[in-house]
Amino acid sequence: AQSVTQPDIHITVSEGASLELRCNYSYGATPYLFWYVQSPGQGLQLLLKYFSGDTLVQGIKGFEAEFKRSQSSFNLRKPSVHWSDAAEYFCAVGGRGGGADGLTFGKGTHLIIQP
Amino acid sequence: DGGITQSPKYLFRKEGQNVTLSCEQNLNHDAMYWYRQDPGQGLRLIYYSQIVNDFQKGDIAEGYSVSREKKESFPLTVTSAQKNPTAFYLCASSIPKTGVNTEAFFGQGTRLTVV
Repeated sequence: AQSVTQPDIHITVSEGASLELRCNYSYGATPYLFWYVQSPGQGLQLLLKYFSGDTLVQGIKGFEAEFKRSQSSFNLRKPSVHWSDAAEYFCAVGGRGGGADGLTFGKGTHLIIQP
Repeated sequence: DGGITQSPKYLFRKEGQNVTLSCEQNLNHDAMYWYRQDPGQGLRLIYYSQIVNDFQKGDIAEGYSVSREKKESFPLTVTSAQKNPTAFYLCASSIPKTGVNTEAFFGQGTRLTVV
């Protein structure tokens, strides 16, 4: 069965500092990987996704993520965070058909931005 | 504008009652999904449907039921058999699994509270 681990429940970063959110997955074949962001009481917005090809993927809002098969990781990065980046971040993995049978989510990382 | 509409935004249920959460999409997506979100637990898949008149159980289907009579609609009924229904419920849809850029689009959620 596939699974996703986000080791950090909370992360606090100063505004303007760099950010890295960790994600490790378990899946037997080539995974389809996603990062979503959620503001309080809202739905999820897709930041970026990896299906194949270049292992460094660019997303919206200045985010990027790198797929490392050898480490089963798909960490999310941003060079300089803004106060508006404070939110909950979810990593997810899809199996067959890019997740046509549904996605498996990590438990999320709550990002706090210090002024 | 295309998107996914969930209603109502807030729902209160008395013990022993069934309630139905609405999810409508105008994205012409074949696949639709229901997830449950609890604090600190990430999202867990309840049911999904890849075509009209067909649906499959997800990881936590007990106490829930769905129907898929129209492509645009995928209502979720929370039955009295669901022992702990208080949660945030998210509906999602995705483009056909034969497509290349599969990703899930989410609605804004329904917060269900048992009183």
